[in-house]
Amino acid sequence: RKEVEQDPGPFNVPEGATVAFNCTYSNSASQSFFWYRQDCRKEPKLLMSVYSSGNEDGRFTAQLNRASQYISLLIRDSKLSDSATYLCVVNGGTGRRALTFGSGTRLQVQP
Amino acid sequence: NAGVTQTPKFRILKIGQSMTLQCTQDMNHNYMYWYRQDPGMGLKLIYYSVGAGITDKGEVPNGYNVSRSTTEDFPLRLELAAPSQTSVYFCASSPPGFDYGYTFGSGTRLTVV
Repeated sequence: RKEVEQDPGPFNVPEGATVAFNCTYSNSASQSFFWYRQDCRKEPKLLMSVYSSGNEDGRFTAQLNRASQYISLLIRDSKLSDSATYLCVVNGGTGRRALTFGSGTRLQVQP
Repeated sequence: NAGVTQTPKFRILKIGQSMTLQCTQDMNHNYMYWYRQDPGMGLKLIYYSVGAGITDKGEVPNGYNVSRSTTEDFPLRLELAAPSQTSVYFCASSPPGFDYGYTFGSGTRLTVV
């Protein structure tokens, strides 16, 4: 089983739509969770951290369910500029002091 | 403030050649990492370091070596390049712990032919 699993997509949505991505992780000891955004042929960039109580940053809302080992990202009022790959990221993995990245979910927002 | 700088940006190697990918950061971060990303895949950890003089293997260390003589620099050495090492290599750094995530360099695209 992969340490971090995501639906690869692509998710094709019209501008203004609401879209949600999900991610599951296997290491129950993981303590830190993030969503990163990666544009084509670019480096990943931190989008937001994910906190136990859930958190929001503008049009983006992240949720964490520790019992189900599940993380979600909700994007409201999608913009063309939101088109990218969204990486689910958790810490841990066989005791390493490093982050483990999911393979990403691709989002394409269409006019 | 440059952040994390990787050089070169692109490189083509012949099978069996060696090279060093350079990574330097100016944020005084203790932790530094090397990942590789194959097309359509996630990032896989090659090596990481939690401070000068300390390095540890990640998920896919075979065929690579690292050193960390200073806080700023974390070079990745490829010995005897193989086609399987064709990938995009990302260096990243972070403060201790995971509260702030990583800052990535812009990557090195390596092709081994």
